[in-house]
Amino acid sequence: EPEVTQTPSHQVTQMGQEVILRCVPISNHLYFYWYRQILGQKVEFLVSFYNNEISEKSEIFDDQFSVERPDGSNFTLKIRSTKLEDSAMYFCASGELAGGFDEQFFGPGTRLTVL
Amino acid sequence: QKEVEQNSGPLSVPEGAIASLNCTYSDRGSQSFFWYRQYSGKSPELIMFIYSNGDKEDGRFTAQLNKASQYVSLLIRDSQPSDSATYLCAVLYNNAGNMLTFGGGTRLMVKP
Repeated sequence: EPEVTQTPSHQVTQMGQEVILRCVPISNHLYFYWYRQILGQKVEFLVSFYNNEISEKSEIFDDQFSVERPDGSNFTLKIRSTKLEDSAMYFCASGELAGGFDEQFFGPGTRLTVL
Repeated sequence: QKEVEQNSGPLSVPEGAIASLNCTYSDRGSQSFFWYRQYSGKSPELIMFIYSNGDKEDGRFTAQLNKASQYVSLLIRDSQPSDSATYLCAVLYNNAGNMLTFGGGTRLMVKP
């Protein structure tokens, strides 16, 4: 069964450093998402991406964050200058359809630790 | 502010019993509702979705939606110890770029 993959599984970085989290969505999906989950808290939406542009972003997704689909398979989340509060699990998700019936399938996540 | 509320639990049920998980949401414009299961340290795994009032069954799982009461529930029949996990309710608001808003989850413990 096709699945979303993410690399790395765990990233440790120093505050102020840039990190890039990588995702390979399910191949026939057209809608891509990033969510994050701080330990013990809710899953929070960051950004949605369709047709090579951002379709929605949350208040969390400020100028320090960017997303890119550099080729036909990868989808990346970049954090330019990491802060301690960016420490969280970051989940990539992909979906096949727009609108109300889009089932979003999540990857295994990248645990980001900012020291 | 769109809110999705769940009782954090833990909800403890004996093996073989029916587990009932509940979720309320604040925005009447919500169109689709999803139940995810999350094991500790793992990613959310989609169980099922519902968008019409009434019941939807898939194996041991039944989702129930009442839009008038802004309430969605998940029933798990014949609960197994392997069902022990946190169950996340998520709501999709169509006019928000397919953004899912998650509840905090209910921790279910199924005791052998």
